[in-house]
Amino acid sequence: DTAVSQTPKYLVTQMGNDKSIKCEQNLGHDTMYWYKQDSKKFLKIMFSYNNKELIINETVPNRFSPKSPDKAHLNLHINSLELGDSAVYFCASSPGTGGNQPQHFGDGTRLSIL
Amino acid sequence: GNSVTQMEGPVTLSEEAFLTINCTYTATGYPSLFWYVQYPGEGLQLLLKATKADDKGSNKGFEATYRKETTSFHLEKGSVQVSDSAVYFCALWETSGSRLTFGEGTQLTVNP
Repeated sequence: DTAVSQTPKYLVTQMGNDKSIKCEQNLGHDTMYWYKQDSKKFLKIMFSYNNKELIINETVPNRFSPKSPDKAHLNLHINSLELGDSAVYFCASSPGTGGNQPQHFGDGTRLSIL
Repeated sequence: GNSVTQMEGPVTLSEEAFLTINCTYTATGYPSLFWYVQYPGEGLQLLLKATKADDKGSNKGFEATYRKETTSFHLEKGSVQVSDSAVYFCALWETSGSRLTFGEGTQLTVNP
């Protein structure tokens, strides 16, 4: 049973389109995250939610909008996609926001903008 | 601000060789430190962690010791296997920001 699952695994789309990525965790965790990994493997946090409340909102274009309908789900909607949005997007979860609690990652969504 | 610096990759070793991947950090306070591993096509997995100075984290033959005096958390393994080929990320937990800060990642390839 997959702990953190993301859909879709691959997303190929045209510049200017709007797309969503879904994430669900079945670990009973309170905290969820979205990360962006660029082509050089550099990983940067985008958003974090704790019990459906936004707690981290990095300097991300407002074309990116996260939504957490409940604490098991954190979706990412992207408007007006640009070439620079091509990356792998990872969802993660952790039991809470404490530093000793490891994060569990999904397998990533590979977004390619044509 | 807080930051993590890893040795530049890629690193290529033969099976059974000794592995060291260097990691140093800059942080205010006393962060928790982690090593995560990313196998091809997968997400990151926690490899090991240490939460205070002189703690040693270990898992699957990998070890790292939290050295406050040198602000380092180097990853070591005595004898690598082909299956260890992956990207390794050093990370620190910033209590003030409630977030993980990752290093750049080090690609390891182990040849038979």
